[in-house]
Order: sequence, then structure tokens, then C-alpha cells
Amino acid sequence: KNQVEQSPQSLIILEGKNCTLQCNYTVSPFSNLRWYKQDTGRGPVSLTIMTFSENTKSNGRYTATLDADTKQSSLHITASQLSDSASYICVVRSDYQLIWGAGTKLIIKP
Amino acid sequence: DTAVSQTPKYLVTQMGNDKSIKCEQNLGHDTMYWYKQDSKKFLKIMFSYNNKELIINETVPNRFSPKSPDKAHLNLHINSLELGDSAVYFCASSQEAYVRDGYTFGSGTRLTVV
Repeated sequence: KNQVEQSPQSLIILEGKNCTLQCNYTVSPFSNLRWYKQDTGRGPVSLTIMTFSENTKSNGRYTATLDADTKQSSLHITASQLSDSASYICVVRSDYQLIWGAGTKLIIKP
Repeated sequence: DTAVSQTPKYLVTQMGNDKSIKCEQNLGHDTMYWYKQDSKKFLKIMFSYNNKELIINETVPNRFSPKSPDKAHLNLHINSLELGDSAVYFCASSQEAYVRDGYTFGSGTRLTVV
């Protein structure tokens, strides 16, 4: 069964600290993996997309990694800011299907 | 502003009523979607339209009926609302279906059935 699991479910860190969010998937065939950021009361916004051949991709303070062998991805946030408080959702595309994770709720405290 | 806009943002209604949620995108995208986000925060696709034609119709009750008058609009009509329909409904669009482009989401409609 195609599944996307994210951990932790929620995370609280202090402003300025770094953090890493995890995404494990059992999806076949694999097309791509995308990380979305969803602010409270808003729709998800794409942060980055990873294809099979890509190991690392950065978007500002966000760095996503992909290990296609172990079927794991991570999203690393550097020097967190209050505006990073949101849910981060991992989504894996398999052919014509999108499999959504439940997200990690990240809270940044001043 | 170029965006996906959906209305209303909040909708509170009684069981058994019929309601509609409207969605419009001015991005020139060919494909539009309706997603339901339940209390556990999973986003589940309900419908997808490409150029006004239905291409994805997941297993949802037939009380839910999408209507696409043109490729810039995809409305969701719900008949005989039930308590379990309470959720946040997101409209989204993308340039093409089935390719690597990301979706642009609306801000969501929080539906509460009482």
C-alpha cells in the first residue's frame, strides 16, 4: 500500500535554532517528492521538489534531501524564524497519484 | 493578484442542507482540483478537472458534485450535508495534470455541519 509517513508529528523549537523533519515513504513507482508548507488557515505552498536522481536541493534556509534507496527524505530548516511556524507536508507522486503525508506541525518560539 | 480564490472562507450550516463552495483561478492553469483536509490533517483528493472535463473522481459520496463551467472555475456542490462532512475543503490548480508541476492552493473553506 502506498503510504507517506512523517515524523515528528509536532515539534517546538526556539527561534534561531535548526531542525530536521523526516518523511518515509513506501510508494511505487516513484515519480517525485515534494515538500509543502501550510500556514494556519491557508493552503499548502510548494517549497521544493525532488526527483529520483536528486539528493539535495536548497530553497533559502530550507534544504531537502532524498535517499531513493531507503525511501527517505528530510527537510532541514536553518536559523529558524517565527514565520517558519507552520505544518510541513511531504507529498510523493506515483504515476498519476499523489500520496500525502499527515504533516509535521512546527512551532517556533521566541 | 494572480491566485486561486475560493468562497466562502467559513461555512456553518445545519445537517440536511445543500451548500456550494466556489473556486476560481486566474493563473491560466488547465487543471483544477478539490481536496478535503480532515481533522487529522490528511489532504485527500476528491475531484480533478482538466479543461472542464472530469479526470479524477475519487470515492466520495455522490452527494458531492463538482461543476466546471469553464477551465477557470470549479465549484463544489454538496447535497444533504452530514456531520462527517465537516472539514476544510481546498481548491487547487496546476498547469497540467500528471506532471511534476506543483499545485497552487486556495486558502480553504472551513465547513462546519451542526
